[in-house]
Amino acid sequence: GAGVSQSPSNKVTEKGKDVELRCDPISGHTALYWYRQRLGQGLEFLIYFQGNSAPDKSGLPSDRFSAERTGESVSTLTIQRTQQEDSAVYLCASSFSGAASETQYFGPGTRLLVL
Amino acid sequence: DQQVKQNSPSLSVQEGRISILNCDYTNSMFDYFLWYKKYPAEGPTFLISISSIKDKNEDGRFTVFLNKSAKHLSLHIVPSQPGDSAVYFCAAGLTGGGNKLTFGTGTQLKVEL
Repeated sequence: GAGVSQSPSNKVTEKGKDVELRCDPISGHTALYWYRQRLGQGLEFLIYFQGNSAPDKSGLPSDRFSAERTGESVSTLTIQRTQQEDSAVYLCASSFSGAASETQYFGPGTRLLVL
Repeated sequence: DQQVKQNSPSLSVQEGRISILNCDYTNSMFDYFLWYKKYPAEGPTFLISISSIKDKNEDGRFTVFLNKSAKHLSLHIVPSQPGDSAVYFCAAGLTGGGNKLTFGTGTQLKVEL
């Protein structure tokens, strides 16, 4: 079946503008994760959705970042008033149930550049 | 504070030889560890994992060793192949932590002919 898909693959925006990044998880996966990777850094956890539970937002770096998920499908990550330090690759992953140590399947990422 | 560290940003190995990638962690509460492999312009893909109750896990050419007292794990690839050239990320998680992972900064492995 299809893997995790993300759109757009690349996004260039001007400082101060809002951006929306989209993630389509693997069908049937109840858990969805967002990470980001800034240049020279590891993947940094942002937010985690699991079924109908309240999302774990503990990794969001500021209140300019928010994410939503429609049921057990598409998720959007929104960054308001983008800053240059938001430039990174934003990666989405999904897993079957969100159980500990369960394999996460990653999408190809959205490369965001804030000018 | 980097809780998972990969101190070698790059490693070059000859084809057929052993590749050893290292990872250190600071949080003793982590109870499972994973290695992911990443090719350019692709997302990371799962490679192998180990629970903290084990000290070794093997899958084909890949073996992960865990030394809990040293808070250290390593990935051994034997024999190394050119297709193994990629960035390797070490990651750690906490049971009860919702499966969110803490990643290292990655090691770029180059397997030369």
